[in-house]
Amino acid sequence: QSALTQPRSVSESPGQSVTISCTGASSDVGGYNFVSWYQQHPGQAPKVIIYDVNKRPSGVPDRFSASKSGNTASLTISGLQAEDEADYFCCSYAGTYTWVFGGGTKLTVL
Amino acid sequence: QVQLVQSGAEVKKSGASVKVSCKAFGYTFTNFYLHWVRQAPGQGLEWMGIVNPSGGTTTYAQRFQGRVTMTRDTSTSTVYMELRSLRSEDTAVYFCARRPTGYDYFDYWGQGTLVTVSS
Repeated sequence: QSALTQPRSVSESPGQSVTISCTGASSDVGGYNFVSWYQQHPGQAPKVIIYDVNKRPSGVPDRFSASKSGNTASLTISGLQAEDEADYFCCSYAGTYTWVFGGGTKLTVL
Repeated sequence: QVQLVQSGAEVKKSGASVKVSCKAFGYTFTNFYLHWVRQAPGQGLEWMGIVNPSGGTTTYAQRFQGRVTMTRDTSTSTVYMELRSLRSEDTAVYFCARRPTGYDYFDYWGQGTLVTVSS
């Protein structure tokens, strides 16, 4: 159960778009359409922004979108806003009632 | 409304055990699986295990097998996570998180419990 691989940090200017990757294996990301993404601001609990690869819970802006290709999932945030600055984590089901998270990506909005 | 309320911060010596609680409010406790996730300072999230509040069955991440026990008390709508043989690397914030029925994500999280392990 190795952690999923995410870039440690990304940065972009307000109004622009950024994509965060999440690479796993055929036993997790590639094997199931159960990838979720979480946003975490400092000192807070994570908040789900994407589930089942590309679905948004109610209340999450459509600026957040996601996809998956093979063993890599991706989160795209368009029209970046200052409040999007946070840590982002991917998570995948890994079979037999186990889950695995990514190491997290720190998004800086310049 | 749905809330998961965790117990307070703990400071433990290396080799000791810690037991963190997570009390559920605002929904039928036995209808939703609960997970435990931890986050070391400045680090990522790490999935630890899942407990079915209905039957009490559990599945643990391989790296915690033999050192963690997750239990539940349906009379108080509370789940517990006990971690034994603590070492400094176990210093982290421990979260409980609910999995909505029929879906595969965590919709509600506890506020987190900081466990500090000192030598």
